[in-house]
Amino acid sequence: EIVLTQSPATLSLSPGERATLSCRASQSVRIYLAWYQQKPGQAPRLLIYDASNRATGIPARFSGSGSGTDFTLTISSLEPEDFAVYYCQQRSNWPPGTFGQGTKLEIK
Amino acid sequence: QVQLVQSGAEVKKPGASVKVSCKTSGYTFTDYYIHWVRQAPGQGLEWMGWINPKSGGTYYAQKFQGRVTMTRDTSITTAYMELTSLRSDDTAVYYCARVEGVNNWFDPWGQGTLVTVSS
Repeated sequence: EIVLTQSPATLSLSPGERATLSCRASQSVRIYLAWYQQKPGQAPRLLIYDASNRATGIPARFSGSGSGTDFTLTISSLEPEDFAVYYCQQRSNWPPGTFGQGTKLEIK
Repeated sequence: QVQLVQSGAEVKKPGASVKVSCKTSGYTFTDYYIHWVRQAPGQGLEWMGWINPKSGGTYYAQKFQGRVTMTRDTSITTAYMELTSLRSDDTAVYYCARVEGVNNWFDPWGQGTLVTVSS
């Protein structure tokens, strides 16, 4: 079973700064990785799928990259509403719903 | 627009059962699977299983086999998740999510249903 490891656990930045979040898979997931954003009291929301495709309505400041085992979510210039928890998920291998443990992006 | 609207919060005693509903709209119910994911307080996301609304076929994560049952009612485009023999560590927010197929991206999600298990 694939394990997804996200780093860092917590990232403290200020609005306007660039955020770089990492997700590493225990074996190759090819390009089949997604990123979700979860704000307090809300359900997760799909941001990026297939490593680099933005979901409908997601602002261009969010971008994803990577393949194989190493993936990155980049937020080019943080807006106040971007401070949240981010999860990665793979769909390359069974079982479904394999998520990373999350990265909390907090205001510095 | 696509919407998944879940039933309200529940408080249950240990040993009881809970049934959470997920009412869908804005798309053809039988064209997408419904997956269930839970999140304990302050914790990450834990996948529970899926139901194929077209056939009624299900698949459950091993951890929940024997305690979870997923069903659907196509006439009202609603999916259900029932969890039995509740324990305190089942306290969590339970989410349904629409998924294209058995293993794909979760989009969108229901708003979540808090289930609290307490004596």
